[in-house]
Amino acid sequence: NAGVTQTPKFRILKIGQSMTLQCTQDMNHNYMYWYRQDPGMGLKLIYYSVGAGITDKGEVPNGYNVSRSTTEDFPLRLELAAPSQTSVYFCASSYRLYGELFFGEGSRLTVL
Amino acid sequence: GENVEQHPSTLSVQEGDSAVIKCTYSDSASNYFPWYKQELGKRPQLIIDIRSNVGEKKDQRIAVTLNKTAKHFSLHITETQPEDSAVYFCAASRGGCNSYGKLTFGQGTILTVHP
Repeated sequence: NAGVTQTPKFRILKIGQSMTLQCTQDMNHNYMYWYRQDPGMGLKLIYYSVGAGITDKGEVPNGYNVSRSTTEDFPLRLELAAPSQTSVYFCASSYRLYGELFFGEGSRLTVL
Repeated sequence: GENVEQHPSTLSVQEGDSAVIKCTYSDSASNYFPWYKQELGKRPQLIIDIRSNVGEKKDQRIAVTLNKTAKHFSLHITETQPEDSAVYFCAASRGGCNSYGKLTFGQGTILTVHP
C-alpha cells in the first residue's frame, strides 16, 4: 500500500492565483482530513470528510474548498491565494473514529 | 470549541534522562488523547494514545497519563535516545459521532536529546 499520497510536494503561487492540492489514499478509509501546519502553531483542521459526498468545515476553512467524489480522493482547492495561506498542508485519513491518523508527506505552499 | 495548550515549547535533555511534556485541554467532553511525533521534514506519526476511561498507558519507554478532573495529560519518555529528537504534538477529541474524530492539536514541543 502506498498509504496517503499528496501532490505537489512544493509549490510557489502568486497572490490571487488558484490551485488544487491532491490527496489520495489506498487504504479504503472513510475519514479524511486536511490540516495546515504553521511554525509554532501545531496543526489546524481546514476541512474533513466522513465519506464520499460528505464534507464539512474545520477550524480554519476560509479561503479553501474541498470535494469528496470517491472514497480515495480528497482534493483541497485554494481560491485567490493570499500570503496568509503560506504553510505546510497535510492530508490524513483514518479507518475509524478516534483511530490513528495516517498522514501524507505534506505539501509546502508559498504565496508571494 | 476545544483549546489545547502544550508545554514546554522546547525541551533539551541528555541521553538517558527522562522527558515530560504536558498538555491541558478546555472541553470536559473530550475523551480521546493521542500523541504524535514528527521528525524533521517528515509526516506526523502516532506514538501512543489514551482514552478517558484509562488513567495511564505504557508502551516500552513511552507512557501517557491522564487526569480528567484537572483536564491535563502528559507524555513521559524514559531513557531518552538521540533518535527521540523530534517535535511532539498532543491532541484532544471530544466523544460522540458528531465530532467525527476531529482532533485539536497543541502547539508542539521540540525535544532535543544530546548524546
